[in-house]
Amino acid sequence: DQQVKQNSPSLSVQEGRISILNCDYTNSMFDYFLWYKKYPAEGPTFLISISSIKDKNEDGRFTVFLNKSAKHLSLHIVPSQPGDSAVYFCAAINNDMRFGAGTRLTVKP
Amino acid sequence: EAGVVQSPRYKIIEKKQPVAFWCNPISGHNTLYWYRQNLGQGPELLIRYENEEAVDDSQLPKDRFSAERLKGVDSTLKIQPAELGDSAVYLCASSSGGVAGANVLTFGAGSRLTVL
Repeated sequence: DQQVKQNSPSLSVQEGRISILNCDYTNSMFDYFLWYKKYPAEGPTFLISISSIKDKNEDGRFTVFLNKSAKHLSLHIVPSQPGDSAVYFCAAINNDMRFGAGTRLTVKP
Repeated sequence: EAGVVQSPRYKIIEKKQPVAFWCNPISGHNTLYWYRQNLGQGPELLIRYENEEAVDDSQLPKDRFSAERLKGVDSTLKIQPAELGDSAVYLCASSSGGVAGANVLTFGAGSRLTVL
């Protein structure tokens, strides 16, 4: 059962522009959400997180927005840099951590 | 500080053969996880340990998969016998607490298994 969904397998943006990665979930019991970034041949690394009691969390160029009523969260990267090119996984926690299928972001110079 | 260390990084075996993966978590991390990541999908939890106790193994295919975490530190994940569908990346992760709230997992680089 896919409780966490990332419907866009890939996204391409120009350097300096905004990247918006989206994630939808079905389980209203999820109370914490995270974004992980994965480079080839490496494990996922933690990027940013947000509690269900908040609707926004910002860390430098990265901002995560949570819309609980829509069961939707998004990751904004501004400005995008070529080094941001990676696969981004959305994850949600209830009793365990569930991951989306990932979105491959390509930032073109 | 060393991160989560996994070995081997790559393994190619024929079906019906056994295979084992090893994980050394971050020092002091009591919680250890094994995930499986199939191509084009996100990681899926196989088993979670709190110290040496397996507290969630509901997704572990117990007919062929087994895991252990002796002394609450290193862990091994074994598949016997392997099937073609077991080809995947097996990720180990660790964290300093239980699974709830603000917990952040640190992942190893993974062990890529190819079953021929």
